[in-house]
Amino acid sequence: DIQMTQSPSSLSASVGDSVTITCRASQYISNNLNWYQQKPGKAPKLLIYAAFSLQSGVPSRFSGRGSGTDFTLTISSLQREDFASYYCQQSYGSPRTFGQGTSLEIK
Amino acid sequence: QVQLQESGPGLVKPSETLSLTCTVSGGSVSRFHWSWVRQPPGEGLQWIGYIYYTGRTTYSPSLQSRVTISLDTSKNQFSLKLRSVTAADTAVYYCAREIVFSVEGSLQYYHYDAMDVWGQGTTVTVSS
Repeated sequence: DIQMTQSPSSLSASVGDSVTITCRASQYISNNLNWYQQKPGKAPKLLIYAAFSLQSGVPSRFSGRGSGTDFTLTISSLQREDFASYYCQQSYGSPRTFGQGTSLEIK
Repeated sequence: QVQLQESGPGLVKPSETLSLTCTVSGGSVSRFHWSWVRQPPGEGLQWIGYIYYTGRTTYSPSLQSRVTISLDTSKNQFSLKLRSVTAADTAVYYCAREIVFSVEGSLQYYHYDAMDVWGQGTTVTVSS
């Protein structure tokens, strides 16, 4: 299985800040990396696919970068509704695997 | 707009079989991959497996010996069965659609898979 490692596991920030979450794959996955946002009690929501492509309807303050094994999700100018958990997921091979998640909290 | 809805018992006894169904509306199960993902209380997301519209399945190795995912095109549904459950199988279970996105490159289009539509999730507790 391809292991996905996210860091940090939790993060505190203020409205208006910019934050970056990192995801590392245990082997090469090209650009087959997705990011999801999950709010408490809700289903995950696809934010970014193919490492950097924004899903329809997702604000442009979300951006993704990376290729190969190292990836980042950046949220610029944090809004109150962005405080949630974020997961990376690889779709290079099966089984699909997720990172352990990053909880973004209001400072 | 495609919508997914999970249904099934919220309580299952240890050693019994967990059975869930995902009903798809606004679209057909005769395309794409159809997935199950679970989330134990306070933990992260765990991929269980998926079924392609052709009926081909792929499962997580950690669950493969106990899981079956099936497709019913006549009802536009797909289902999950997890046998011999224990308390460790207590979780919110989500169904999701995995589609192929086409991204334009310099010389060709590249294809990437992602889960773009999710059900709201259903809580299953394993307890006697």
